[in-house]
Amino acid sequence: AQTVTQSQPEMSVQEAETVTLSCTYDTSESDYYLFWYKQPPSRQMILVIRQEAYKQQNATENRFSVNFQKAAKSFSLKISDSQLGDAAMYFCAYWGGSQGNLIFGKGTKLSVKP
Amino acid sequence: NAGVTQTPKFQVLKTGQSMTLQCAQDMNHEYMSWYRQDPGMGLRLIHYSVGAGITDQGEVPNGYNVSRSTTEDFPLRLLSAAPSQTSVYFCASRLTGGRETQYFGPGTRLLVL
Repeated sequence: AQTVTQSQPEMSVQEAETVTLSCTYDTSESDYYLFWYKQPPSRQMILVIRQEAYKQQNATENRFSVNFQKAAKSFSLKISDSQLGDAAMYFCAYWGGSQGNLIFGKGTKLSVKP
Repeated sequence: NAGVTQTPKFQVLKTGQSMTLQCAQDMNHEYMSWYRQDPGMGLRLIHYSVGAGITDQGEVPNGYNVSRSTTEDFPLRLLSAAPSQTSVYFCASRLTGGRETQYFGPGTRLLVL
């Protein structure tokens, strides 16, 4: 069965600095998708970024980028120029074609210090 | 579009009571699912549906029932509430296919006493 592991329960970053959140996953599939979701205190789940496994190029969305290492099964999220509004829970998620459901990691709580 | 809506936002139940959490979407999505979120556990899949009339179990289905009579609605029923079902429940929907964005409802916070 596929698993998603986020090894950092909590992280902290100074405003305007860069932080990287880690995610590893386990799968035997070759075609899959990876996601990072943000959950602010409002509880709303917001898609931050998506990566297709067949693409070698790392996905980027404004200040958010990923470091996708397929062989190592690693999918980290880098947040540049951190802002107070980035403070939230961040969930890494996996979707593989054979089971069709999103599998989530346990999350990393990010705090941003002014 | 209203997106994914959930009712109620908050509910208190006594042990043994039953209730239905409502979920609706207006995006004509085939796939709908229910997750529960507990501290330190992430989101765990309860049940899911790939279309009207088709449902299946996820990771933690015990104590919950679902049905999908229409494309729009996917209610989650708690048959006999237990304190272990105290949680935040999220409904989600998307088009089929891995690269499709999964949209989440605002969540229902359930407290079972």
